[in-house]
Amino acid sequence: DVKVTQSSRYLVKRTGEKVFLECVQDMDHENMFWYRQDPGLGLRLIYFSYDVKMKEKGDIPEGYSVSREKKERFSLILESASTNQTSMYLCASRLDRGYEQYFGPGTRLTVT
Amino acid sequence: GNSVTQMEGPVTLSEEAFLTINCTYTATGYPSLFWYVQYPGEGLQLLLKATKADDKGSNKGFEATYRKETTSFHLEKGSVQVSDSAVYFCALRAPATGGSYIPTFGRGTSLIVHP
Repeated sequence: DVKVTQSSRYLVKRTGEKVFLECVQDMDHENMFWYRQDPGLGLRLIYFSYDVKMKEKGDIPEGYSVSREKKERFSLILESASTNQTSMYLCASRLDRGYEQYFGPGTRLTVT
Repeated sequence: GNSVTQMEGPVTLSEEAFLTINCTYTATGYPSLFWYVQYPGEGLQLLLKATKADDKGSNKGFEATYRKETTSFHLEKGSVQVSDSAVYFCALRAPATGGSYIPTFGRGTSLIVHP
């Protein structure tokens, strides 16, 4: 079975802190994604990566950056956390563009 | 661009009732269509999929038929259980600018099943 893991299930940070969210997949997938999920808004794509060191902006990249130095790991970085970044963050991966996505369990981030 | 519209929830049903969650889409080319389910406190899991017109996806008693003429992919189940309580997302995958095939998701429909 494909496994996508995220470093934390729950995280509480203060405004202005730098925050790292880690995602690891164990099936040699090419593509990886970061979404945020908010009530009434569904899933919104923040960034995605086709391959190592490659990244593309999604629909809401402002205030976020990403890093993919190894194929199995995709990190989301909040350079200076703000309260409006309080949300559920979901990571996903897929083998390639013709395949379905597999999701991690999510990280619920609270910024106070 | 591509888009997915699904009925707003919550949908509240009694156990053993019939379920329909509507999903319609707009897409370029010939999309593949998906239903994902998110149980409380968890990530999304693929429930079923269909890759071409008239295909029927099915899993765990749920079914959805890819209707190209009505651009729809409605989710149905004949008899729901309390354990089906979750949020259901309709999604499509179709060519986008640059050929990225980035999935497009609906906003999700919450299903609550009472004993």
